[in-house]
Amino acid sequence: TQLLEQSPQFLSIQEGENLTVYCNSSSVFSSLQWYRQEPGEGPVLLVTVVTGGEVKKLKRLTFQFGDARKDSSLHITAAQPGDTGLYLCAGDGFAGNTPLVFGKGTRLSVIA
Amino acid sequence: DAGVTQSPTHLIKTRGQQVTLRCSPISGHKSVSWYQQVLGQGPQFIFQYYEKEERGRGNFPDRFSARQFPNYSSELNVNALLLGDSALYLCASRKTPWGRTGELFFGEGSRLTVL
Repeated sequence: TQLLEQSPQFLSIQEGENLTVYCNSSSVFSSLQWYRQEPGEGPVLLVTVVTGGEVKKLKRLTFQFGDARKDSSLHITAAQPGDTGLYLCAGDGFAGNTPLVFGKGTRLSVIA
Repeated sequence: DAGVTQSPTHLIKTRGQQVTLRCSPISGHKSVSWYQQVLGQGPQFIFQYYEKEERGRGNFPDRFSARQFPNYSSELNVNALLLGDSALYLCASRKTPWGRTGELFFGEGSRLTVL
């Protein structure tokens, strides 16, 4: 079973601060996706990283896929209250018929 | 185009009862997956269907069952409800063909409370 460990589990910061969320596994993934979920809604895809070492930027969010494709990080610069939510990483296996495996998530609260 | 729609959005049941949750995928999406999300946790995989065939099943008891219809909509059934079945049940559809990586589009979920 492929497991994804996310850290930290909870994070409360002031507006304007920077933060990094980590997603680690002992398994190799064909790709890794990051989702954000707000209360009362389903998760929404932020980015998919596919190549080892890949870095993708989405405005103030920077996503990196580890060289070995076992881990990923999400860095937010100058966090804003609108960034508040549950951030989930999800790994996709190689077999095609394996489901997307989610981590437990990092609950971020950005205080104005 | 409409997104993934789920019904009902909220429901309350008592232990031992049965529940059916419904999901309509985005038009053109043939893959539907069901996830259970307990409060404070990430989604846990329950079932995956593609072209009306079960393609994957998570570590859930036989009380959980699902099916996909010719129009690609899906139902999740849970029998003999337990308190621990209280959760948000998420349905997700995917556009990419079987065996290919792709984005999951989630519905808003059905929140089940078992008393």
